[in-house]
Amino acid sequence: NAGVMQNPRHLVRRRGQEARLRCSPMKGHSHVYWYRQLPEEGLKFMVYLQKENIIDESGMPKERFSAEFPKEGPSILRIQQVVRGDSAAYFCASSPVPGGSLDTQYFGPGTRLTVL
Amino acid sequence: GNSVTQMEGPVTLSEEAFLTINCTYTATGYPSLFWYVQYPGEGLQLLLKATKADDKGSNKGFEATYRKETTSFHLEKGSVQVSDSAVYFCALSGASNTGKLIFGQGTTLQVKP
Repeated sequence: NAGVMQNPRHLVRRRGQEARLRCSPMKGHSHVYWYRQLPEEGLKFMVYLQKENIIDESGMPKERFSAEFPKEGPSILRIQQVVRGDSAAYFCASSPVPGGSLDTQYFGPGTRLTVL
Repeated sequence: GNSVTQMEGPVTLSEEAFLTINCTYTATGYPSLFWYVQYPGEGLQLLLKATKADDKGSNKGFEATYRKETTSFHLEKGSVQVSDSAVYFCALSGASNTGKLIFGQGTTLQVKP
């Protein structure tokens, strides 16, 4: 059973460009979470999605950031007009169900975004 | 709101020393508690978890007990190895069933031979 997959692993963008980060959850998992890890800091929750639905986006910046999890295909985190402060590691996690004894999230290897 | 506080690092130990990394939390309801480990350049791996008070999670010689009375989930290992060098994150899942994890700031462990 393949784990959570993220691509690309490393992404370099110039200021003003767009960044697209992809996440394929573990097989059988329909819940996806995105977290951001700034240098020397812990992970901060950004958004929680189920197929075709955004459930909780309380951690998403109000502008330039969006996320989707379509019926088919991976979840996408999109950052428009990137700025240097967006440089971070972005981690995706998936779980079978939230809450209860199964609320264990499995993390992907992350995408390290560098904005020049 | 819910939060997690970990002891500051880095923690530097000699091989075979005893390890404790403190973690305390504030939360409403009854969250699940987790320890994740992040090796250099990698993503997070689940180390252990506990879902209710007095549960003890254990894995690879590490253990942590969910203490509701002291709101703590301290990580311990009796004899660390150089290969345990990593960043350790304590986390809790909210009781709201959205499942999002709230992380502590991480504690870097360096084990010297």
